[in-house]
Order: sequence, then C-alpha cells, then structure tokens
Amino acid sequence: EDKVVQSPLSLVVHEGDTVTLNCSYEVTNFRSLLWYKQEKKAPTFLFMLTSSGIEKKSGRLSSILDKKELFSILNITATQTGDSAIYLCAVFSGTYKYIFGTGTRLKVLA
Amino acid sequence: IAGITQAPTSQILAAGRRMTLRCTQDMRHNAMYWYRQDLGLGLRLIHYSNTAGTTGKGEVPDGYSVSRANTDDFPLTLASAVPSQTSVYFCASSVEFRGDEQFFGPGTRLTVL
Repeated sequence: EDKVVQSPLSLVVHEGDTVTLNCSYEVTNFRSLLWYKQEKKAPTFLFMLTSSGIEKKSGRLSSILDKKELFSILNITATQTGDSAIYLCAVFSGTYKYIFGTGTRLKVLA
Repeated sequence: IAGITQAPTSQILAAGRRMTLRCTQDMRHNAMYWYRQDLGLGLRLIHYSNTAGTTGKGEVPDGYSVSRANTDDFPLTLASAVPSQTSVYFCASSVEFRGDEQFFGPGTRLTVL
C-alpha cells in the first residue's frame, strides 16, 4: 500500500532557529514529490521535486529529494513567526493519485 | 473569479440530507480533485477528474459522487450525509493529471449532525 510518512509530527522552535522536516515514502511508480504550506486554510505550493540530489530553493526555504533512500527534506533557515504552519508532503504515484502525509505542525516562537 | 472557489464556506447538515459542495476554477486546468482533511489523517483524495467528462475514484469515495460537465466546475455530492462525513473539504486543480502543483480552494467546513 502506498504511503507517505512525515516527521516530526510537531515542532516548536524559536525565531532564528533552523529546522529540518522529513518526508519518507513508499509508492509504486514514483513521479514527483511536492511540499505545501498550510496556514489557516488552503495549502499553498512550495516545491516540486522529481530528480534526486537537485536542491530547490526559495528564500530561506530549500528542499532536496533522495530517490534511492525514498525521502525528502524541507529546510527552513532563520525561522520567523510567519513560518508557523502545517507543512504537507505529497507524492504523485503511478496509480494516478496524490498521496499526502499527515503533515508537520511547526510553531515558531518570538 | 481568480483561481479556485468553493461554496459554501461552512455548513451544518442533518444526517440523511443531500448536500452538494460547489467548486469552480477559472484557470482552464484539466485536472480537478476533491479531498477531505481530518485531524491526524491528513488530506485524503475522494474523487478526481483528469479532464471534462471523466471522473475517477480516489482513496475514500464511498458516500460521495462527482460530475464534470465542463472544464470549470466540479461539484461533490453527498447523497445521504452521515456524521462520519463531518470534515473540511478542499477542492483542487492542476494543469494536467501528471503530478504537477495543485491549486487549492479555500475549503468547506461541513458538520453532519
């Protein structure tokens, strides 16, 4: 059965800290892995990864995929209170569906 | 309309009643999706459509039906609501059904009593 597991489930840090969020997966016919940020309402897109070892970067956020070990990490440096959110990882598999992890809830304290 | 919209924003419904959640996008995306989000279970796919006129079942389709008469609209119907269908429902779309970025609507919070 296809599955996506995120860790940790929740995390509390102070402003300025660096955090690493993990996403591991077991799916048939992997096509892509996506990261989303969910604040109050709808998830918003952060990154899409399809190739191993190529880092995607946007400001203080970055992500990388390891297709051999079947995981991805999302790094956030110099965290701010506005980074507080649920971070979701999703994998698109060959069965034509997106499979989401349960998310990591990040709280950044001022 | 800009992006993807859902209606209603929230609804309280008596068990056994029929309910249709509406979803409209103006991005001309071919693929559309319905998810439910429950605490501790994440987002789970209910139904999807990879193009107008076709639909498919996701992970949790029982008790739900969808239609895709045109590119823009993708309504989700609960024929006879049950309390276990209490959830937050998100509609989403993507350019194609190939693992690209999905755009999510603001969600509908549904409570079935």
